[in-house]
Amino acid sequence: AQTVTQSQPEMSVQEAETVTLSCTYDTSENNYYLFWYKQPPSRQMILVIRQEAYKQQNATENRFSVNFQKAAKSFSLKISDSQLGDTAMYFCAFMNFNKFYFGSGTKLNVKP
Amino acid sequence: GAVVSQHPSRVICKSGTSVKIECRSLDFQATTMFWYRQFPKKSLMLMATSNEGSKATYEQGVEKDKFLINHASLTLSTLTVTSAHPEDSSFYICSARPRDRGPYEQYFGPGTRLTVT
Repeated sequence: AQTVTQSQPEMSVQEAETVTLSCTYDTSENNYYLFWYKQPPSRQMILVIRQEAYKQQNATENRFSVNFQKAAKSFSLKISDSQLGDTAMYFCAFMNFNKFYFGSGTKLNVKP
Repeated sequence: GAVVSQHPSRVICKSGTSVKIECRSLDFQATTMFWYRQFPKKSLMLMATSNEGSKATYEQGVEKDKFLINHASLTLSTLTVTSAHPEDSSFYICSARPRDRGPYEQYFGPGTRLTVT
């Protein structure tokens, strides 16, 4: 069974600083996808970044980047130059065989 | 592009009644739609996967007779909560996978908050 663990229920960061959210997962599969989703107070899920497991290069999307360590089954999200609009719940997700599994989420507060 | 809507956004119903939630892909065709349930301050739990024109596949522990899913067209899936009880109160989210995209593509609806009194 696939499991996704986010060990940080809540984090805070000052505006313009950098923060890293942790995620680990457990799977016996070799091919899969990993995601970070953002859920702001509106509850709309928004894709932040995606990583294919077969790619060694870490994915980057503007201020968002990941540190993908396949052997360690770790997939952390780094947010640079944090903005007030980044305040939200962040969910790490694993996808394989047509199914998505989500972690329990990390609530990120960006302080002015 | 890739907009998914849900209707209603909020619904209150009395215990014992049934309520239907619609999920529509507005600007693309979705061969697969997913239904999730999210408890307060909790993660999303996959309830079922529906493919257009076929029966939904339910996750273990989800009562298929209670949560009826119909995927009648490439743009519409419905979730009907039958004989609702207060413990069914939750936030229900659908997502849709575009027809001609990779298996990792899914777009989420804005969710429906169900309150059963």
